[in-house]
Parts: sequence; structure tokens; C-alpha cells
Amino acid sequence: NAGVTQTPKFQVLKTGQSMTLQCAQDMNHNSMYWYRQDPGMGLRLIYYSASEGTTDKGEVPNGYNVSRLNKREFSLRLESAAPSQTSVYFCASSEAPGWEAKNIQYFGAGTRLSVL
Amino acid sequence: GQQLNQSPQSMFIQEGEDVSMNCTSSSIFNTWLWYKQDPGEGPVLLIALYKAGELTSNGRLTAQFGITRKDSFLNISASIPSDVGIYFCAGLFSGSRLTFGEGTQLTVNP
Repeated sequence: NAGVTQTPKFQVLKTGQSMTLQCAQDMNHNSMYWYRQDPGMGLRLIYYSASEGTTDKGEVPNGYNVSRLNKREFSLRLESAAPSQTSVYFCASSEAPGWEAKNIQYFGAGTRLSVL
Repeated sequence: GQQLNQSPQSMFIQEGEDVSMNCTSSSIFNTWLWYKQDPGEGPVLLIALYKAGELTSNGRLTAQFGITRKDSFLNISASIPSDVGIYFCAGLFSGSRLTFGEGTQLTVNP
């Protein structure tokens, strides 16, 4: 059981470079999420996709774009990386959208991104 | 928006001691979740609570959904070195997204 798989695990970028973080889930979940984790700030939602074909902004969407490629895959793109985007990025998925009770989110192992 | 206050921010304990941490909110939630994050890994669900007053155990872990629906606590009994990690609470109310606490960093000294 792979669950939620994120690639790459580590990445170093220079300011201004672009990259795409990949996420795939094999649990046939409808909803997928991207979070960033910074020291002392917990997990903050960047974007989410309640179902295939839909995406919505979360708490901290600026500087990011997402694509729900199909039911399994949800990618996060940094068009022009900035040092403030140095963080650990987590993808998660859930069977139901976030506004239904009993929604439980399952997380990938994370991508550790440094922007120099 | 909804915010969760999780405390303590960090704990340093000896192996065998019991641990208690809690989350409080100014808003009510329908669901409380507790996650653990091991170093270098993503959060893993420990316990899910769905009803006010609910008390649920998972091995040495016990969590409760507060009667007011604005708080939850997690207890760990007889801690062991592998309990080290960051513990997150998360709350959910219908019509809103999952809200996470800032985490409690637990260190267990052998």
C-alpha cells in the first residue's frame, strides 16, 4: 500500500527558478490537498481540490499554482521560487471533501524545499 | 477564521512518564483529529473523535472530545522513546476546511 506518494523528497532551487512538486494517491480518494509546514506554524493549507476538475485556494496560495491532473494526481507548481518558499511541503488526500464530518486526511512523506 | 491553540509547544520527559497535551478553539468543531509526525515523515492519524464527550483510546493513547466542542486533549501513558515526534491536533466543522494546531514537540529521554 503506497498511500500518498510525493516526489521529489528533497529539492534545492535558486531564486527565480520554477519547479513542480508531484503527488499521487492510490486510495481512490476524491479530495487532495497541499500544505506547507514551517517551524512553529503547524500546517497551512496552500490549495486543495475537493474533487477531480476543481481546485480552490487555501490559507496561503500566493506564489503557487496547482493542477488536478486526474483523480490520482495533484501537482503544485512554483513559477518563480523565492526564499520565503523554503519549507516542507505535504500532500494529503481524503475520501470526502473537507466540509463533511468524518473526513480524515492521509499525508505523504513530504518534500523538503530550499530556495537560495 | 477558525484557529486552534495547542499547548504545550514542547515537552521534555523521562521514559515511563505520562504526557498530556491539549487544543482549544474559540469556535466549535464537529470532529477532532490527533496526528503524530515522526522526524522526516508526514503526519499519521492517531485518533479521530466525532462526538462531544467522546473518549477514545488507541493503545497507550487516550483522547477526548470536549463537552463544549471547543477543546480536545491527548494523553500518552508510560511514554517510550519511540513516542518522540510532533503531535498535531486538527479540528473540522461542516462547511470549513481542516484546521491544524501548531503542534507539540515531544522529547523522551531514556
